[in-house]
Amino acid sequence: EADIYQTPRYLVIGTGKKITLECSQTMGHDKMYWYQQDPGMELHLIHYSYGVNSTEKGDLSSESTVSRIRTEHFPLTLESARPSHTSQYLCASSDSTTNEKLFFGSGTQLSVL
Amino acid sequence: GEDVEQSLFLSVREGDSSVINCTYTDSSSTYLYWYKQEPGAGLQLLTYIFSNMDMKQDQRLTVLLNKKDKHLSLRIADTQTGDSAIYFCAETSPGDKFYFGSGTKLNVKP
Repeated sequence: EADIYQTPRYLVIGTGKKITLECSQTMGHDKMYWYQQDPGMELHLIHYSYGVNSTEKGDLSSESTVSRIRTEHFPLTLESARPSHTSQYLCASSDSTTNEKLFFGSGTQLSVL
Repeated sequence: GEDVEQSLFLSVREGDSSVINCTYTDSSSTYLYWYKQEPGAGLQLLTYIFSNMDMKQDQRLTVLLNKKDKHLSLRIADTQTGDSAIYFCAETSPGDKFYFGSGTKLNVKP
């Protein structure tokens, strides 16, 4: 069973608010990822990290930012949320020494009113 | 990026077998995966296969890999209503990103 946790599970906020989506893993994985997914649709990679102090933008442009100060923690921040940010955000991690498996958190469903 | 393609929908009756298909373009793919996603949840790793294998069986799940045609399939035997979900195919190689298909929505009718 994957040990990767996301909070909050659901979030409803007003336009213009600053929010941080939390993601933590206890598997010691060096690689972490954020995907954005609309309901029933494909996944879009928006950010990834190969280790502490390493962050990269993904394939889909996003107004969010990420940080990786600790191996186990990879939070995603939106400085000013807009309705177009309404989506599900999925965090994942993998071990670069094998790159065999990608484990996902349960996701954060964000609704911006 | 690499292309991974799947059909969008599959509908079967309870008790029948389901076969979900996937094609990919990267001939250097090392690992190929099947993930299951239930509504409002994250992706759950179901099974995976190394590129040097042709087949892998795990209880009701059978994965077939045709490396020549770059074709991966997932067969679910005795499909149950609890198998209704979206199934994603994915591939990667050491040091590379994971590439996902757009998902196949499996509907199991009682």
